[in-house]
Amino acid sequence: AQSVSQHNHHVILSEAASLELGCNYSYGGTVNLFWYVQYPGQHLQLLLKYFSGDPLVKGIKGFEAEFIKSKFSFNLRKPSVQWSDTAEYFCAVNARQAGTALIFGKGTTLSVSS
Amino acid sequence: NAGVTQTPKFRVLKTGQSMTLLCAQDMNHEYMYWYRQDPGMGLRLIHYSVGEGTTAKGEVPDGYNVSRLKKQNFLLGLESAAPSQTSVYFCASTLGAGVRNTEAFFGQGTRLTVV
Repeated sequence: AQSVSQHNHHVILSEAASLELGCNYSYGGTVNLFWYVQYPGQHLQLLLKYFSGDPLVKGIKGFEAEFIKSKFSFNLRKPSVQWSDTAEYFCAVNARQAGTALIFGKGTTLSVSS
Repeated sequence: NAGVTQTPKFRVLKTGQSMTLLCAQDMNHEYMYWYRQDPGMGLRLIHYSVGEGTTAKGEVPDGYNVSRLKKQNFLLGLESAAPSQTSVYFCASTLGAGVRNTEAFFGQGTRLTVV
């Protein structure tokens, strides 16, 4: 079964600082990878996804993520964060095999001060 | 276009009471999921279904039962609620397994408090 590990529990940044959130997964086969964001009091929204092709994927609101297969990693980045990026961020993995479920990491809380 | 709808949005139960959470999706998705979200624990999978009439256990299935009698609905039941089941519950659905169709769509969540 697949699993997901997010390295940072709580990240605190000032506006305009750069962001990188770590995500590693464990699974021997092919996977689809996702980053979701949850703003306070809201449900999860998709930030970006990787299925195949270019390992550098771009999502909404200036976020991007890089899939490094050899490291089983899918780290999320943003060059310059804004106060409105304050939220909880979840990495998720879904094995391509039929019958498998979408599994989430424990999440990283990002606090951005203005 | 409703997407994924959960009912109820809030509920307070007494220990030992039972209840059913309903999740409905109108996107003809094959896979449906129930997660619980607790501070510092992320989203933990309770049960999921890969099609009408099927269910499977997730990471934290104890104390919960599910049913998928119709493709569009996925019910989560608590037979005898316990305070440890106080949580926010999210339902999600995906088109199915495969290359490009596993993006999940989420309901708004149900905040359940067991006293």
